[in-house]
Amino acid sequence: EEQLVESGGGLVQPGGSLRLSCAASGFNFSNYWMHWVRQAPGKGLVWVSRINSDGTYTINADSVKGRLSISRDNAKNTLYLQMDSLRAEDTAVYYCARENKIAFAMDVWGQGTTVTVSS
Amino acid sequence: QTVVTQEPSLTVSPGGTVTLTCASSTGAVTSTFYPSWFQQKPGQAPRALIYSTSNRHSWTPARFSGSLLGGKAALTLSGVQPEDEADYYCLLYYGGAQGGVFGGGTKLTVL
Repeated sequence: EEQLVESGGGLVQPGGSLRLSCAASGFNFSNYWMHWVRQAPGKGLVWVSRINSDGTYTINADSVKGRLSISRDNAKNTLYLQMDSLRAEDTAVYYCARENKIAFAMDVWGQGTTVTVSS
Repeated sequence: QTVVTQEPSLTVSPGGTVTLTCASSTGAVTSTFYPSWFQQKPGQAPRALIYSTSNRHSWTPARFSGSLLGGKAALTLSGVQPEDEADYYCLLYYGGAQGGVFGGGTKLTVL
């Protein structure tokens, strides 16, 4: 079964840092582009970041540029989101998703991990 | 800042047909935006329905169809089932410099 499992969420103070992980299984992780998407409580989905299959290309939404950084370790079948200088507005459920060969065709999604930024 | 607009809410009767739309503040939506659609039920992760305008995933029921309609991306549900009650989100791709933008979502009520 093709699966993505996020971890690393939790409570962090404003200005703090956190690293989210997304473990992939059931498919050849190194062949796929990947994304992070977030959803604030009671709000809609927001695209955050995208990375190509070998990690040499990344792009982030303007709202997170300079603070959130996507990366991957294909040897470990794991996607990461490094989150720095966190703000209250970064409070959300963070989902990782696989892009299946066509731009932004996200097919497999994880169950999400919750990040709460609060003092 | 680019904005993608969806109807905030729609109501449809069981067995009926409803069309959800997805508009871009930059102008007409075309196939080069690779429109995709996702369904989300309360407490669950999003589920992919449609990609690249009109392509269903292997698990997507045939009653869901995607198209371009009047300069917008559209998702049509035909023969609506009670289990189709959910939030629906579209996603448009704006190219390598900007990435993607989700619409605000449409809450579909089956009543």
